[in-house]
Amino acid sequence: ETGVTQTPRHLVMGMTNKKSLKCEQHLGHNAMYWYKQSAKKPLELMFVYSLEERVENNSVPSRFSPECPNSSHLFLHLHTLQPEDSALYLCASSQDRGYGYTFGSGTRLTVV
Amino acid sequence: GQQVMQIPQYQHVQEGEDFTTYCNSSTTLSNIQWYKQRPGGHPVFLIQLVKSGEVKKQKRLTFQFGEAKKNSSLHITATQTTDVGTYFCAGRAGYGNKLVFGAGTILRVKS
Repeated sequence: ETGVTQTPRHLVMGMTNKKSLKCEQHLGHNAMYWYKQSAKKPLELMFVYSLEERVENNSVPSRFSPECPNSSHLFLHLHTLQPEDSALYLCASSQDRGYGYTFGSGTRLTVV
Repeated sequence: GQQVMQIPQYQHVQEGEDFTTYCNSSTTLSNIQWYKQRPGGHPVFLIQLVKSGEVKKQKRLTFQFGEAKKNSSLHITATQTTDVGTYFCAGRAGYGNKLVFGAGTILRVKS
């Protein structure tokens, strides 16, 4: 257990479905992140929340919609995804944005 | 934009041999971090280097930050099978700037 919990661990969804990924951190951190990890590609930053405010949106398609209701929870709402969106989605948190990140175990997403 | 390159992409060593991965940034960094991801796992933070020329050790792992703060290395002495995984460096150009990850070096260890 890393202190950052992601659910579900695995998700298979059709291109017309709507689903949400959930992340919860128990570390008292004030920054949270969504990353996408695809095979043979570097970790891609998607969104950054600092003190519950979105401070970065890294040119992510609108079919990905983040939500941060409080400093402990982060969601990634998914709708009308494409097969190329299949990847491991990692949530991370840190105390301020200049320190090491604690990653969750990720959600393995497959879009069919 | 800022780019972080890592070499080699892949290395297969005999148990007991040493291993080094190198990280180079296109811009001067304020700090650099290293992470390890075991197969099927998630990245785990190892260390952060901040000062020019800084060297830090964690048991058999030695981390170095270049004098110009544009490159870094991770050296593992006498590798063990537990060292298997992907090692990522991640650099930040300034506080508040985004952390840019390298593509990682995959380490395999033959026993």
